[in-house]
Amino acid sequence: NAGVMQNPRHLVRRRGQEARLRCSPVKGHSHVYWYRQLPEEGLKFMVYLQKENIIDESGMPKERFSAEFPKEGPSILRIQQVVRGDSAAYFCASSARGGATDTQYFGPGTRLTVL
Amino acid sequence: DQQVKQNSPSLSVQEGRISILNCDYTNSMFDYFLWYKKYPAEGPTFLISISSIKDKNEDGRFTVFLNKSAKHLSLHIVPSQPGDSAVYFCAAASGSARQLTFGSGTQLTVLP
Repeated sequence: NAGVMQNPRHLVRRRGQEARLRCSPVKGHSHVYWYRQLPEEGLKFMVYLQKENIIDESGMPKERFSAEFPKEGPSILRIQQVVRGDSAAYFCASSARGGATDTQYFGPGTRLTVL
Repeated sequence: DQQVKQNSPSLSVQEGRISILNCDYTNSMFDYFLWYKKYPAEGPTFLISISSIKDKNEDGRFTVFLNKSAKHLSLHIVPSQPGDSAVYFCAAASGSARQLTFGSGTQLTVLP
């Protein structure tokens, strides 16, 4: 069952360090989405990528956050100079075609804790 | 600005009875709606969806109802089972945007 894989599952960083979160989509899926869930809240959209392209980054903070989905390898969400407010669960989802009605399948998430 | 709202943070139901989870939205551009179920320390799992051209969609024990004029949808689970205990998220999308907008979730507890 090759679902969406995310690693690491848990990540602890000190303030000012960098966090790298990885996402391998369902085999054959070329559309990837990143969401963030703060405690007691729903998931908030961050960015939508296709292979080698950022399609929509309207939910991404303007500074310190970046995402990529290279031709080969997993999608990476990178957070530079982390702050305590970045502590959250980060979920990746993938879909086959990328249409609005195309089901997004989620990974188990990476729980980032910033000390 | 919450475009998708789940006003009940929790719901308890007896096993075998019906569970009804509610969701309201404000953005009239939304035309596709989904329900996801989430267990602790796991990612959301897709349950059922409905397009705005329909008012009902059924899949086994799960039925989603959409009332476009009221901008309201609901998920019915019949009969409820203890394994259904989880957080249920309502989500919405519009034809022009792939991103999903989620509600804050409802914790369903099915009591044996």
